[in-house]
Amino acid sequence: AQSVTQPDIHITVSEGASLELRCNYSYGATPYLFWYVQSPGQGLQLLLKYFSGDTLVQGIKGFEAEFKRSQSSFNLRKPSVHWSDAAEYFCAGTYNNNDMRFGAGTRLTVKP
Amino acid sequence: GAGVSQSPSNKVTEKGKDVELRCDPISGHTALYWYRQSLGQGLEFLIYFQGNSAPDKSGLPSDRFSAERTGGSVSTLTIQRTQQEDSAVYLCASHKSRDSYNEQFFGPGTRLTVL
Repeated sequence: AQSVTQPDIHITVSEGASLELRCNYSYGATPYLFWYVQSPGQGLQLLLKYFSGDTLVQGIKGFEAEFKRSQSSFNLRKPSVHWSDAAEYFCAGTYNNNDMRFGAGTRLTVKP
Repeated sequence: GAGVSQSPSNKVTEKGKDVELRCDPISGHTALYWYRQSLGQGLEFLIYFQGNSAPDKSGLPSDRFSAERTGGSVSTLTIQRTQQEDSAVYLCASHKSRDSYNEQFFGPGTRLTVL
């Protein structure tokens, strides 16, 4: 069955530390993959997306994600976290937009 | 407006009542989606509209849920005879076309509480 899994429900990192949020997908072929961020009281905002080509994707706000076919993963990374990065992060995948599957989300807390 | 708007932002209702949630997509966006976000859950796909095509209703959880889109723009999600398990944030999103790699733009959501 098509699915996207985010194994970590909640992650806490110190400000300035590096960050990696995990995402695994389960599809017959490579889906289009996305990372969205939802700040408190805000709508979801697209951070980055992957659908072909270079497996390392750069996004907004200093985020990047690497697609690894061998691991069926699309992990989100940031080298140095800022307090404003505290939010809920969602990984999503689709073959066509009428079947977008979202993970359960990872809540990021940033310690001062 | 510049973004997707939803109304109301919050709705409290009593069990058994009907509710209507509204979504105004970005002007010119032909595709519109409804999702449900329950506490601690990911986004659950509900329904998808694309232009004048028949909507994809495969995500609607029961026949108490329905949605329509008038004039290819505004959409209304209706929940009849609400139940406590319907309590969630209902999100609307739109994008330009049916191309899969287009970014979906999300509204701020409607928080529904069923007492």
